[in-house]
Amino acid sequence: DAKTTQPTSMDCAEGRAANLPCNHSTISGNEYVYWYRQIHSQGPQYIIHGLKNNETNEMASLIITEDRKSSTLILPHATLRDTAVYYCIVIFYNQGGKLIFGQGTELSVKP
Amino acid sequence: SQTIHQWPATLVQPVGSPLSLECTVEGTSNPNLYWYRQAAGRGLQLLFYSVGIGQISSEVPQNLSASRPQDRQFILSSKKLLLSDSGFYLCAWKASGRAGSTDTQYFGPGTRLTVL
Repeated sequence: DAKTTQPTSMDCAEGRAANLPCNHSTISGNEYVYWYRQIHSQGPQYIIHGLKNNETNEMASLIITEDRKSSTLILPHATLRDTAVYYCIVIFYNQGGKLIFGQGTELSVKP
Repeated sequence: SQTIHQWPATLVQPVGSPLSLECTVEGTSNPNLYWYRQAAGRGLQLLFYSVGIGQISSEVPQNLSASRPQDRQFILSSKKLLLSDSGFYLCAWKASGRAGSTDTQYFGPGTRLTVL
């Protein structure tokens, strides 16, 4: 599975958009980009995923560059409850479907 | 809808004692099941996964073992705990089947294990 690179930490003002970048320069054509987040002492929560098209759901938007070597997760109106560690993962689902988590980005939303 | 349960939520055990953590999934059949561990301040590490009853794949050699006695039950065990076994243990499930957008993993609430 491709390796991802994310900033260690980021701050965002409450009510503003939070843009979390992820580099995955070695991604292959059949690997998906997944985003999860983990609020302290809880299990990771699925946010969104995509292959090559931009995606949007009720939680966030995912922007994938045309060459697929990087992506950005956008939380359009961050709230204090969005403070968490955000993980970007790329994966091709073979028989096992194993997620490989890196260190993620610790997002702090401040009032 | 599907739900995933883990228990206990927290556990404090002495070194050398046995361990049994349980995970159950409701609302789906024949899921893929996973055990992850998260040490303090670190990312998640996959320990075991299972694609069916009695089928266990181990990712990291260690003194832990996993079993899947029923379709929606996944158990993590140890005969003798080490200090290094302390951590946050997470169970996850995903729908079985071919690769694609149905392959999202969903995590349980976790068990925080402290070995003293």
